[in-house]
Amino acid sequence: GAGVSQSPSNKVTEKGKDVELRCDPISGLTALYWYRQSLGQGLEFLIYFQGNSAPDKSGLPSDRFSAERTGGSVSTLTIQRTQQEDSAVYLCASSLTGPGQGAEAFFGQGTRLTVV
Amino acid sequence: AQKVTQAQTEISVVEKEDVTLDCVYETRDTTYYLFWYKQPPSGELVFLIRRNSFDEQNEISGRYSWNFQKSTSSFNFTITASQVVDSAVYFCALVMDTGRRALTFGSGTRLQVQP
Repeated sequence: GAGVSQSPSNKVTEKGKDVELRCDPISGLTALYWYRQSLGQGLEFLIYFQGNSAPDKSGLPSDRFSAERTGGSVSTLTIQRTQQEDSAVYLCASSLTGPGQGAEAFFGQGTRLTVV
Repeated sequence: AQKVTQAQTEISVVEKEDVTLDCVYETRDTTYYLFWYKQPPSGELVFLIRRNSFDEQNEISGRYSWNFQKSTSSFNFTITASQVVDSAVYFCALVMDTGRRALTFGSGTRLQVQP
């Protein structure tokens, strides 16, 4: 597609339920990132996929969070046993290479997750 | 560790005023990249500029200009003759050339341009 697509755009879930957030990155851009934007914490890095390399999971806040990327394309972020503090906007981004090589990241519009 | 500080939480100006958004960063690396992103009310982060640590030349793009000074670890962003459409949250970000290759963002500056 022309840009990064995320679904759903909004998700309301009950505390304790599992949720899956989807990201369709820009075709041909090999790096994919998940970030979380919340009122108290700003924009936080969660996880980074680059090609076939092992993902950098160092930003995941707990073992309730996991992500996978299938076929080097679509990515799913899963949050198990959701808590109210998980409420945030989850942003996905694509870039051609890691931004450490100067490539800018293109962001999707995000999924707003509300845990009630 | 790296850090980006945007001390201005919110700025309000009247249309046609010039405004400067401050960004100060911390890193021990010699090679790094700095970015500015705009987040309008629609929520999508829009890339504005990238600057690498070896290029201190200032840049101008239309009404936007950026002043990168390594001596003060600052990468400030100026909007000249602001317009209502400039109203958004602006984020400064940093990424190193080694280690975790993810953007470290500042807390953002909300700019309100009043007509």
